[in-house]
Amino acid sequence: RKEVEQDPGPFNVPEGATVAFNCTYSNSASQSFFWYRQDCRKEPKLLMSVYSSGNEDGRFTAQLNRASQYISLLIRDSKLSDSATYLCVVNEEAGNQAGTALIFGKGTTLSVSS
Amino acid sequence: NAGVTQTPKFQVLKTGQSMTLQCAQDMNHEYMSWYRQDPGMGLRLIHYSVGAGITDQGEVPNGYNVSRSTTEDFPLRLLSAAPSQTSVYFCASSTTGIYGYTFGSGTRLTVV
Repeated sequence: RKEVEQDPGPFNVPEGATVAFNCTYSNSASQSFFWYRQDCRKEPKLLMSVYSSGNEDGRFTAQLNRASQYISLLIRDSKLSDSATYLCVVNEEAGNQAGTALIFGKGTTLSVSS
Repeated sequence: NAGVTQTPKFQVLKTGQSMTLQCAQDMNHEYMSWYRQDPGMGLRLIHYSVGAGITDQGEVPNGYNVSRSTTEDFPLRLLSAAPSQTSVYFCASSTTGIYGYTFGSGTRLTVV
């Protein structure tokens, strides 16, 4: 079974801290990668896609290392509103159709306090 | 746009009952999927569809059926509910799959 492994945390940080999440994936042929955010008792929401060159969206930076099969998410200047579970997700094939199966890590919980 | 709409939000079933979880999207997405989320586990794929009339099984399909008669709708049927099907069910849709999926708000199902 294709797997995505994440440190479950929880990560407890003060406002303004920088925090990094990591995950590894098992299928070296995987092509697309994402970070989703899930608030308590809510649906997962796409935070950002992850590209080989690395990408940044405001306070969030995602990196992909294909050689090590490793994905990271860096959050700078943490806000109270960043408290959530962050899900590392790899897009796989179900059957022979690309992009049909999201493989989710179990999530890393972040709690930001004032 | 409403996005992905799931109904009902909550449901309690007795063992052996059947029911249909509804999912509709208004974004003209071809790809639609059903996932279940259980405590301590990542979301797992139940069934998926890449267009009207085309469905296939995911990782955990047993006990569930799907059909896709229109682009908009992708209902999930529980044939004979079992306590092991107590879970939170999410429907998701995407244009081609490779750019990420949009999720519905979920259905919390309890089977007693």
